[in-house]
Formats: sequence, structure tokens, C-alpha cells
Amino acid sequence: QKEVEQNSGPLSVPEGAIASLNCTYSDRGSQSFFWYRQYSGKSPELIMFIYSNGDKEDGRFTAQLNKASQYVSLLIRDSQPSDSATYLCAVIPLSGGYNKLIFGAGTRLAVHP
Amino acid sequence: GAVVSQHPSRVICKSGTSVKIECRSLDFQATTMFWYRQFPKQSLMLMATSNEGSKATYEQGVEKDKFLINHASLTLSTLTVTSAHPEDSSFYICSARDRATNYGYTFGSGTRLTVV
Repeated sequence: QKEVEQNSGPLSVPEGAIASLNCTYSDRGSQSFFWYRQYSGKSPELIMFIYSNGDKEDGRFTAQLNKASQYVSLLIRDSQPSDSATYLCAVIPLSGGYNKLIFGAGTRLAVHP
Repeated sequence: GAVVSQHPSRVICKSGTSVKIECRSLDFQATTMFWYRQFPKQSLMLMATSNEGSKATYEQGVEKDKFLINHASLTLSTLTVTSAHPEDSSFYICSARDRATNYGYTFGSGTRLTVV
């Protein structure tokens, strides 16, 4: 079982719609969760981090964490074509030390006009 | 915010030669840096964890004699790909943790390595 799993997509949504991206993780003791956006040929950029169960909102983005289900999601409201990218879920597992950041395979999002 | 500078951004080298990639934290001290590799259409795979003043910790399957990591100061880590082969062609990205803000993982801009 992979440590961090995501649907590779592509997830296609129309402009203005809500895009929902999902991620599950295997280490139940994980405490820190991150969403990154990566454009082709570029390095990842941090969108949000979340540590506590529940929702965390930042502008058009909402991260949701459910530790009991080992599930974290990212909602993008009012999706724009510029949001088209690969979204990477990343987790710091309890095991391993040094607070290593482990990435999922990423979900490709395509927002069409 | 925290900035990580990575050089070079692109490099082409011949098989059998070595290539050094630098990762610098510009406005903060990074006690720990991480080196990732990303093949086309795949996710970032952690190669090793670099700690200032001590030996790097390599992930399973990563050859430490091939990928030499040096973290001699709080602002600089280097990755040297030795005896490069075409299969080493990849996108290498470093990440540094901001010592002051424990949750901050800042990524360099990446190095596209092509071995011919």
C-alpha cells in the first residue's frame, strides 16, 4: 500500500465549478497534511496545510481533514483555467524521522472555459 | 517569505561525467534539506534527507555512492550525481525547512538533468 494515494485523473471541470480533489494516507499517526500545486516543468508551490480535523478555508480553497478515515481533500471554488495543474497531496508520516514530506502521485486538474 | 535558490536550472552532461546541483536557503537557516527526483508524469520521490553537519539519510533503493549529498552549512546543500547515465535524466528538486517556522517546506525551482 502506498503511503499517500490520489486519483491520477484527469479531473475535468467547467470554469466556475467546484473542483474536488481527494487523498488518503496509510500512516494513522500522521499529523501534518499539505496540498501543493505543480505546473508542468515547475516545482511545487504550497497551497495549504492543515493539521486539525475539520475544514480550513483560504480564499477559493478549502482543505478538509478526517483523521479517523485517513482522508484529506481540497476543494477549489469558482475554478479558473489558470487552476489547471497537477495537485499533490503530501503528508508527514509518524514514522521515518526528520519530518519527511511524502507525496502522492498527484491529480491532474483541467478547467475548461 | 522563505526562498530557496537552486542551480543550475538545466544541465546537459555526457554519460560518465558528474554533475553538481546546489540548493541554497537565501533568507533563513535550513538545518534539514530534502532532495527529490521526479520522472515525467510521476510524483516527487524523496531521495535523501540532508542534515547540516552530518551524513545524509538515503531512502531505500537510492545509491548513496552515486548521489553524493553534502550539507556543510546552514544555507547550502549540494547533490552530486556521479558517473551519470541516461536513466539518471530527471527533474531534481530540493526542499528546505525553515528553522523558524517548523511547518514550512520551501522548494527550489528544480534542475532538469539530461544525460546524453
